[in-house]
Amino acid sequence: DARVTQTPRHKVTEMGQEVTMRCQPILGHNTVFWYRQTMMQGLELLAYFRNRAPLDDSGMPKDRFSAEMPDATLATLKIQPSEPRDSAVYFCASGAWTYGNTIYFGEGSWLTVV
Amino acid sequence: AQKITQTQPGMFVQEKEAVTLDCTYDTSDPSYGLFWYKQPSSGEMIFLIYQGSYDQQNATEGRYSLNFQKARKSANLVISASQLGDSAMYFCAMRGRGGGNKLTFGTGTQLKVEL
Repeated sequence: DARVTQTPRHKVTEMGQEVTMRCQPILGHNTVFWYRQTMMQGLELLAYFRNRAPLDDSGMPKDRFSAEMPDATLATLKIQPSEPRDSAVYFCASGAWTYGNTIYFGEGSWLTVV
Repeated sequence: AQKITQTQPGMFVQEKEAVTLDCTYDTSDPSYGLFWYKQPSSGEMIFLIYQGSYDQQNATEGRYSLNFQKARKSANLVISASQLGDSAMYFCAMRGRGGGNKLTFGTGTQLKVEL
């Protein structure tokens, strides 16, 4: 049963620390998304990749966030330094490129910055 | 630009009844896809159903059906025979070339199924 795998599932960290979230997309999917979900803002698109190339990261605070795909089986989202306002659920999702294809979500990484 | 609007922040339905969750969208794309996702209290995002803009028939998946009215730009989700396990947040979303093929979400509708 193919699924998007995210690690860690839960993370509590102190303000100022670096946080790295990892995602393994479904094999064969060439499009990867990072979303952030909070009560106040709902689901926000942070960044997305096609064939490992970043297409749009305009939703991401550039000074502290970075997203990469070192290879087709791994996407990373890094926050350095983390702040309490970064506390949220971070979802990775993957799918095929064209609009008619479903996007599948991982279970999310629940981040708390204290 | 793409926009999804879900005007019902919360809905109640009695078990075994049918319920319709509203979704309207705005796009200038001739080709696009519409999706519904379910997010239970455990937090995961579960894909429910897909409708393509050129599909002639309304999509159905088990107890879920999508009432697609292209001229009105609406894509309402109908859940038949509601179950307690249907209590969750439901999101409508769309993808289209004009939006860079990214998935744009509405604000969601919280559905509560009651005995």
